[in-house]
Amino acid sequence: GAVVSQHPSWVICKSGTSVKIECRSLDFQATTMFWYRQFPKQSLMLMATSNEGSKATYEQGVEKDKFLINHASLTLSTLTVTSAHPEDSSFYICSAREAGTFPYEQYFGPGTRLTVT
Amino acid sequence: AQSVTQPDIHITVSEGASLELRCNYSYGATPYLFWYVQSPGQGLQLLLKYFSGDTLVQGIKGFEAEFKRSQSSFNLRKPSVHWSDAAEYFCAVGSMFSGGYNKLIFGAGTRLAVHP
Repeated sequence: GAVVSQHPSWVICKSGTSVKIECRSLDFQATTMFWYRQFPKQSLMLMATSNEGSKATYEQGVEKDKFLINHASLTLSTLTVTSAHPEDSSFYICSAREAGTFPYEQYFGPGTRLTVT
Repeated sequence: AQSVTQPDIHITVSEGASLELRCNYSYGATPYLFWYVQSPGQGLQLLLKYFSGDTLVQGIKGFEAEFKRSQSSFNLRKPSVHWSDAAEYFCAVGSMFSGGYNKLIFGAGTRLAVHP
């Protein structure tokens, strides 16, 4: 149980284009989803927290207009990187939390590697 | 501010040897503490967690961790390492922020290499 998937697992896009990453909870309802960014050999940095049906809460320094997050259903959240640039290349990981569970219990997806050329 | 420090960036051990990965935290109240493992190109898997009770916590894959409040530490241990344990290990602390939402703050990670 508690499986989170991400699609695609890797994506290459050209500078200036937009790319969408999906995060799905497969066997539970995710009231809260988190998006992290991980640079090579570095830790995970939280980008934003989203609750189903509400606007995402972005961490300080994260551009809301560049990283669009939508959490329209209890099983799906999407991260759209708009007008991507090479510096946006990174490993993006989502996690999900089920309502009524331990507040910090998060199930992580396998990640999406984005390369912007 | 809440923070997590993992002093060792990279550790190499021989297969069958014991392992201890260090984690120190900075948090005003009783912390919620976690250890995660990340294999190459993969997401994170929870090894164990502590939020109250017995300060020695048992996890999956033969790992354990001990919470020491006086030292602000939550070190991860394994008595005998297997080659499959080679991975990146992250310590994290749960933190409550304004607005009522919770988040995890991660340490920088320790990369474990295992020699045959």
